Amino acid sequence: QKEVEQNSGPLSVPEGAIASLNCTYSDRGSQSFFWYRQYSGKSPELIMFIYSNGDKEDGRFTAQLNKASQYVSLLIRDSQPSDSATYLCAVNSGGSNYKLTFGKGTLLTVNP
Amino acid sequence: ETGVTQTPRHLVMGMTNKKSLKCEQHLGHNAMYWYKQSAKKPLELMFVYSLEERVENNSVPSRFSPECPNSSHLFLHLHTLQPEDSALYLCASSQEPGTGNTGELFFGEGSRLTVL
Repeated sequence: QKEVEQNSGPLSVPEGAIASLNCTYSDRGSQSFFWYRQYSGKSPELIMFIYSNGDKEDGRFTAQLNKASQYVSLLIRDSQPSDSATYLCAVNSGGSNYKLTFGKGTLLTVNP
Repeated sequence: ETGVTQTPRHLVMGMTNKKSLKCEQHLGHNAMYWYKQSAKKPLELMFVYSLEERVENNSVPSRFSPECPNSSHLFLHLHTLQPEDSALYLCASSQEPGTGNTGELFFGEGSRLTVL
């Protein structure tokens, strides 16, 4: 059973701080990694993806991947109240979306 | 107009009813999905259709029956459901991952189902 583990939170950070969201996965053969954001009452939307070890930056978001440790994280710099949402980690172990496994998500609250 | 549209947004049904959820995608994608989202559980993949053929059925009970008449439309037919089937049902579409394509899933807003 392939598993993706996330701390369910809630994670609470003050406005302007760095929010750090973590995810571990069980399948060592996993190939691609995604972070989806889901606002309350809304559907998930993709905000970052990463395939290779190391960091990938996009604006205020940085995804970090360490395949040896089976660990992927999302850093949000200069957190804003509008970043308050549930962040879902998804791991693809087969190159097809049929093999995409989601974590339970981490609820992030950014306090003004 | 959103890329993936689901109807109805809310549905209440009894255990003996028959109802259907509808999904339509306007993105030209070649794959469509049904996911179930329950409180405190990960998104669960139910069915996948690629080029209108079902390619995945994740051990879903037969009281859920999918139908994909063409690449833009997907249905989930519901029959004799149980109260534990109450959840948010999300439709998604994508191009299959490939060169220059992440395979990003585009989700509809979901159909909130309550089974009494």
